[in-house]
Amino acid sequence: DAGVTQSPTHLIKTRGQQVTLRCSPKSGHDTVSWYQQALGQGPQFIFQYYEEEERQRGNFPDRFSGHQFPNYSSELNVNALWLGDSALYLCASSLALDSSYNEQFFGPGTRLTVL
Amino acid sequence: DAKTTQPPSMDCAEGRAANLPCNHSTISGNEYVYWYRQIHSQGPQYIIHGLKNNETNEMASLIITEDRKSSTLILPHATLRDTAVYYCIVRVEKTGFQKLVFGTGTRLLVSP
Repeated sequence: DAGVTQSPTHLIKTRGQQVTLRCSPKSGHDTVSWYQQALGQGPQFIFQYYEEEERQRGNFPDRFSGHQFPNYSSELNVNALWLGDSALYLCASSLALDSSYNEQFFGPGTRLTVL
Repeated sequence: DAKTTQPPSMDCAEGRAANLPCNHSTISGNEYVYWYRQIHSQGPQYIIHGLKNNETNEMASLIITEDRKSSTLILPHATLRDTAVYYCIVRVEKTGFQKLVFGTGTRLLVSP
């Protein structure tokens, strides 16, 4: 049973560029959440997708956008990159209807470096 | 915003119990306390969660105070592989939507 997978593992971009990160959830999961983790900090919630729609959003600008596909996989897009976007981007999947025990499984993350 | 407070670091000798405290004085009645850990910039790993009662699984025990304002994660026999950052998290409930609000975490160093 494959867990949460993310691609690519590492990425280097320059300021002003755009980036797309990808996530495949754990088998059987239908909800995908994205988190940003700056160096030395805890992960910060970006947004969550369920049924191909953004359900809730953290305190991130519109430059951060996402998408969920019918197979539940998801993409995170960041436009107009700036140095402060350098971070580990984590994807977590869960099962929406299991509200009493909603463990989120995290992927290994994508390390984004903006130069 | 994070709603938990943890000590930034703790040390523990291998084989001894590691007791990691967490303060969540503003927790609401329907919010769960979750513990995750993160080893060397890997994705966080779920450990345990609870609402009111103490909980135990194969990894750890969770002790929640009666007023629910604080909790303690107990690793009964710490090993070197338990060296990680441990996050105490309050799960925000909102009409079936859940998100994890991470605090600063406790960096646990288990030494031989």
